[in-house]
Amino acid sequence: QSALTQPASVSGSPGQSITISCTGTTSDIGSYNLVSWYQQHPGKAPKLMIYEGSKRPSGVPYRFSGSKSGNTASLTISGLQAEDEADYSCCSYAGSGTWVFGGGTKVTVL
Amino acid sequence: QVQLQESGPGLVKPSETLSLTCSVSGASISSYYWTWIRQPPGKGLEWVGYISFSGATSYNPSLLTRVAISVDTSKNQFSMKLYSVTSADTAIYYCARLVRSNSQHFDQWGQGTLVTVSS
Repeated sequence: QSALTQPASVSGSPGQSITISCTGTTSDIGSYNLVSWYQQHPGKAPKLMIYEGSKRPSGVPYRFSGSKSGNTASLTISGLQAEDEADYSCCSYAGSGTWVFGGGTKVTVL
Repeated sequence: QVQLQESGPGLVKPSETLSLTCSVSGASISSYYWTWIRQPPGKGLEWVGYISFSGATSYNPSLLTRVAISVDTSKNQFSMKLYSVTSADTAIYYCARLVRSNSQHFDQWGQGTLVTVSS
């Protein structure tokens, strides 16, 4: 069970759109449409932003969206805002009651 | 509103046992699944294991031989023990609620507690 692969950092200017990729294998992302995404500000607990690949919990802004193609999931932030600067981690169900996370991506708002 | 709060020693000696408890308020522990997730300083999140309301457990294969999660429904708490710790187990440990059925995600998290393994 290996960690999912995310870019270390992504940056964008306010108002722009950015996309964070999350690459897994046929044993996790490729087999299940069960990817979730978490936002984490420094010193804070992770917060659920996307589940089941593309669903937003109540209260999460519409500018956050998720998708999947093959073994890769993606999180897109449209209309980037200053408060979106944080670390983002993907997670996938990997079968047999186990989960695997990505290494995290630091988003910087320029 | 569901709240989770981790508690336990912040410092554990190498080869000893790390013990943490998560107290849950605002939800019955008997109605959900509960999990532990950890994050070494400056690194990514790592799923540790979960326990169901019935006591069924599942653990990260990399920790399978050293970890045990239990639940105390009378106190609305669940706990984790990690045996034979090393410096590699130094991390912030989070407890979280696991949503299963047709979904598999962690929707409520505790604030986390830093555990340092050092002599």
